[in-house]
Amino acid sequence: EDKVVQSPLSLVVHEGDTVTLNCSYEVTNFRSLLWYKQEKKAPTFLFMLTSSGIEKKSGRLSSILDKKELFSILNITATQTGDSAVYLCAVEANRQGAQKLVFGQGTRLTINP
Amino acid sequence: KAGVTQTPRYLIKTRGQQVTLSCSPISGHRSVSWYQQTPGQGLQFLFEYFSETQRNKGNFPGRFSGRQFSNSRSEMNVSTLELGDSALYLCASSFLTVGYGYTFGSGTRLTVV
Repeated sequence: EDKVVQSPLSLVVHEGDTVTLNCSYEVTNFRSLLWYKQEKKAPTFLFMLTSSGIEKKSGRLSSILDKKELFSILNITATQTGDSAVYLCAVEANRQGAQKLVFGQGTRLTINP
Repeated sequence: KAGVTQTPRYLIKTRGQQVTLSCSPISGHRSVSWYQQTPGQGLQFLFEYFSETQRNKGNFPGRFSGRQFSNSRSEMNVSTLELGDSALYLCASSFLTVGYGYTFGSGTRLTVV
């Protein structure tokens, strides 16, 4: 069964800290791994990773994928209170010619001022 | 351009009733997927439609069904509602397939009493 596991499930840090969120996966016919930020309702897209070892960056956020060890990390440096959200990791899997996204449980990140 | 629109935003139903939720994808997007999000289970895949055909289905009972119209708008229906169906139902659309360019709507919060 396809599975995506995120850790930690919850994290509380102070503004300015650096955080690392983890995502490991076991899926059939991996195609890509995606990170989303969910603040209230609609998850918003952060990164899509398809190749191992290539870091993707967007401002203070960065992410990398390891397809050999089947995991990804999301780093946030110099955290701000606006980074408080649930961060979702999802893996695109292909089964019988159809694609679907399998999501992890999410990491709830709280940034205290 | 307009995002993914889900209606209604909130819904309260009684056990045993049925409900229909609507999702209008981004113009030009032909793939529409539905997810159920609950605190205990996270985001779980319901089904995906492409060009009016269901391409993939998650592990949900037959009470959950959906369809897609020729203009790519999609509806999902839940019959014989149970308390456990209370959740945030999210719809996501993309041009061709899941993952790439995936955009979520703000969801419909369904409460079953």
